[in-house]
Amino acid sequence: QSALTQPASVSGSLGQSITISCTGTSSDVGGYNYVSWYQQLPAKAPKLIIYDVNKRPSGVSNRFSGSKSGNTASLTISGLQAEDEANYYCCSYAGSSIFVFGSGTEVTVL
Amino acid sequence: QLQVQESGPGLVKPSETLSLTCTVSGGSISSRSYYWGWIRQPPGKGLEWIGSGYYSGSISYNPSLKSRVTMSVDTSKNQLSLDLSSVTAADTAVYYCARGDGRDESFDMWGQGTMVTVSS
Repeated sequence: QSALTQPASVSGSLGQSITISCTGTSSDVGGYNYVSWYQQLPAKAPKLIIYDVNKRPSGVSNRFSGSKSGNTASLTISGLQAEDEANYYCCSYAGSSIFVFGSGTEVTVL
Repeated sequence: QLQVQESGPGLVKPSETLSLTCTVSGGSISSRSYYWGWIRQPPGKGLEWIGSGYYSGSISYNPSLKSRVTMSVDTSKNQLSLDLSSVTAADTAVYYCARGDGRDESFDMWGQGTMVTVSS
């Protein structure tokens, strides 16, 4: 069971949109609509921002959106703000009550 | 309000067993809709799922750690425990306890994490 593949870093200017990819296999991302995304601010615990591929928990900004195509899930952050600087991780259910996280992406706001 | 708190020794010697406890307060660990997981993060690295425990006593483990991990759920104490045997420096990490939602398979509530260093 290997970690899902994410770009190590993504950057964008204030107000722009960025997209983070999360590539797995047909046994995880491609096999289930149970992809979640987490935002981790420095020295903080991760926070759930997307579940079920494209749903937002209450209180999460609608600037965050998720999607999936085949074995690749994506997180888009629209209207990039300084407070969005963080590490982002995807996570997928892989069957048999097993989970796999992505390698993580550092987002920098220019 | 539900709170999740990890506890345990911050320093463990190589080859020994790392033991941590996750205490849930403000709610029950026995909810049928939820399960409880351990997730770790080595310094400067990404998240790794270790395993999940269900109120029923059923446990699932990361295949890569399965031979060294034992988890259990104590519903009477509202606690989830983790034992990781034969530790090495590679097991040095922040260990998080998190609530998993069985309806959408996401981890929706996390403890603050506890740092464990493996060193002699």
